[in-house]
Amino acid sequence: SQQGEEDPQALSIQEGENATMNCSYKTSINNLQWYRQNSGRGLVHLILIRSNEREKHSGRLRVTLDTSKKSSSLLITASRAADTASYFCATDAHNDMRFGAGTRLTVKP
Amino acid sequence: DTEVTQTPKHLVMGMTNKKSLKCEQHMGHRAMYWYKQKAKKPPELMFVYSYEKLSINESVPSRFSPECPNSSLLNLHLHALQPEDSALYLCASRLPLSEKLFFGSGTQLSVL
Repeated sequence: SQQGEEDPQALSIQEGENATMNCSYKTSINNLQWYRQNSGRGLVHLILIRSNEREKHSGRLRVTLDTSKKSSSLLITASRAADTASYFCATDAHNDMRFGAGTRLTVKP
Repeated sequence: DTEVTQTPKHLVMGMTNKKSLKCEQHMGHRAMYWYKQKAKKPPELMFVYSYEKLSINESVPSRFSPECPNSSLLNLHLHALQPEDSALYLCASRLPLSEKLFFGSGTQLSVL
């Protein structure tokens, strides 16, 4: 079973705009991770935030974590057409890695 | 070597066939995972091996049988599958606890 919900389910923006995706989860976690998937192939790890962290940055990515609300957000700044993909959050609890429903992001040139 | 290699990339099988999916990594990862993913859905956890022992089994039907013969290999044996089992099967691995997953590119399985 999947861990939680993501919203929006689909997001379409113009190149250069920012994209924000949200993730909610249900159980206690060690960390929360974000992954990207192109065209139904393997997932690629983007960023990890630990349960005692509130915000983390990596290049054009910014992730926040609110453990009291059991929610996280991923912000992609200055989006590019190459960012078009599906994005999934994943909660990590003792080897148990489960994925949220995902957001399909389309960035139009 | 920072890859997880899955073979075959595509598989078509009948409902009476027996086949196996293979996953291999040489990064010294001791946790290995099988996920099933239907189109436009998230990956669903099937099995987790930790130090070659099955640690999570998500009540997957017995027609799926995992095997971890050593720390580098993970197999998924398939027998008497149903058409609804058609999906992308993903293998992943990682260092123990609280680290990122490395995914293979998956096996696209079609059951006729």
